[in-house]
Amino acid sequence: AQSVSQHNHHVILSEAASLELGCNYSYGGTVNLFWYVQYPGQHLQLLLKYFSGDPLVKGIKGFEAEFIKSKFSFNLRKPSVQWSDTAEYFCAAGSYNTDKLIFGTGTRLQVFP
Amino acid sequence: DVKVTQSSRYLVKRTGEKVFLECVQDMDHENMFWYRQDPGLGLRLIYFSYDVKMKEKGDIPEGYSVSREKKERFSLILESASTNQTSMYLCASTRGTSGDYEQYFGPGTRLTVT
Repeated sequence: AQSVSQHNHHVILSEAASLELGCNYSYGGTVNLFWYVQYPGQHLQLLLKYFSGDPLVKGIKGFEAEFIKSKFSFNLRKPSVQWSDTAEYFCAAGSYNTDKLIFGTGTRLQVFP
Repeated sequence: DVKVTQSSRYLVKRTGEKVFLECVQDMDHENMFWYRQDPGLGLRLIYFSYDVKMKEKGDIPEGYSVSREKKERFSLILESASTNQTSMYLCASTRGTSGDYEQYFGPGTRLTVT
């Protein structure tokens, strides 16, 4: 069955710490991968996406993610977090020729000054 | 800039009531989606639509129906609301053009069924 797993449910960091959020997917065939973010009180918005090509993808606000096909992973990284990165982060996957996505359960990130 | 709007941010309904949640997008997108978001469960797809009057069940369609009479509007209907349908409901849309699968989300409707 198709699925997306996020290993960290709640992450607490101090400002300037490095961040890595795990995401693994189970999907047959070619897959599109996404990270979405939901800031407190705001709607979900796209952080970055991977369809093909360079497996290291850069997104908004200094975030990046690396697609590792052999590990079925698409981990999100940021070298130095800020208080404003406090949010919930969702990994999502979909087959290459469809708009339908499966979302992970989300990771709540809290950054303290 | 794509805008997806939802008719209410907060809604309180009684058990057994019929509930309508409305979603409108202003960018002529082909595809629209309804999710519910629950803590620890992430987003789960209820229904989606690839065209006017077309709909497909998602992962959790039980207790819900949808309507898409116009391209820009996608309604979620709870025929007889129950307490286990208390949740945050999110609407999303996609352009539908091959190669662009980004979903654009509305602000959500937090529904409480008492």
